[in-house]
Amino acid sequence: AQKVTQAQTEISVVEKEDVTLDCVYETRDTTYYLFWYKQPPSGELVFLIRRNSFDEQNEISGRYSWNFQKSTSSFNFTITASQVVDSAVYFCALSEGIQGAQKLVFGQGTRLTINP
Amino acid sequence: GAGVSQSPSNKVTEKGKDVELRCDPISGHTALYWYRQSLGQGLEFLIYFQGNSAPDKSGLPSDRFSAERTGGSVSTLTIQRTQQEDSAVYLCASSLAVGPKYTQYFGPGTRLTVL
Repeated sequence: AQKVTQAQTEISVVEKEDVTLDCVYETRDTTYYLFWYKQPPSGELVFLIRRNSFDEQNEISGRYSWNFQKSTSSFNFTITASQVVDSAVYFCALSEGIQGAQKLVFGQGTRLTINP
Repeated sequence: GAGVSQSPSNKVTEKGKDVELRCDPISGHTALYWYRQSLGQGLEFLIYFQGNSAPDKSGLPSDRFSAERTGGSVSTLTIQRTQQEDSAVYLCASSLAVGPKYTQYFGPGTRLTVL
């Protein structure tokens, strides 16, 4: 069965610090996709990144970077030089297979607070 | 272009009443999903629609929940005889097609409070 674990319930840092949000997943499929979404106080889930199981290259987008390691079933998210606007709940999610179940399975989320 | 829209943004109802929640997907998206976000359960999948195919209802928590999608576009989630445990934020998402490689884009949600 699919499962996503975000062990960090809440993280609080001071602005400009780097912060890493952890995500560990479980799946029996060899083909799967991993996602990160951001949920600001407004409530809407904002898509950040999608990564498929065959692409282990790390990705950087501005201050955001993602580290995908199949050996440890982890897909961690790092924010460099954090800003107050980064404050939100961040969700990691998993979707399995080429066909079949299309649902996203979400972790419990990590509430990130960036203090000025 | 316009994103996923949902209405109403907030709904307060009394226990036992029926409610309808509406979702307008992104234009051109053939797949539509409903999720529920509650304090105790996190984000849970409810149902998805793909084109004219039969929906996948595997996530619906009880037979009080139903959903339909008319004309392959707008969807309505109906909860009959609401209970207090139905209180949650109901999120709708759409994607270009069904399949895990297609990103799901979410609407702002409907916050349902059952008194």
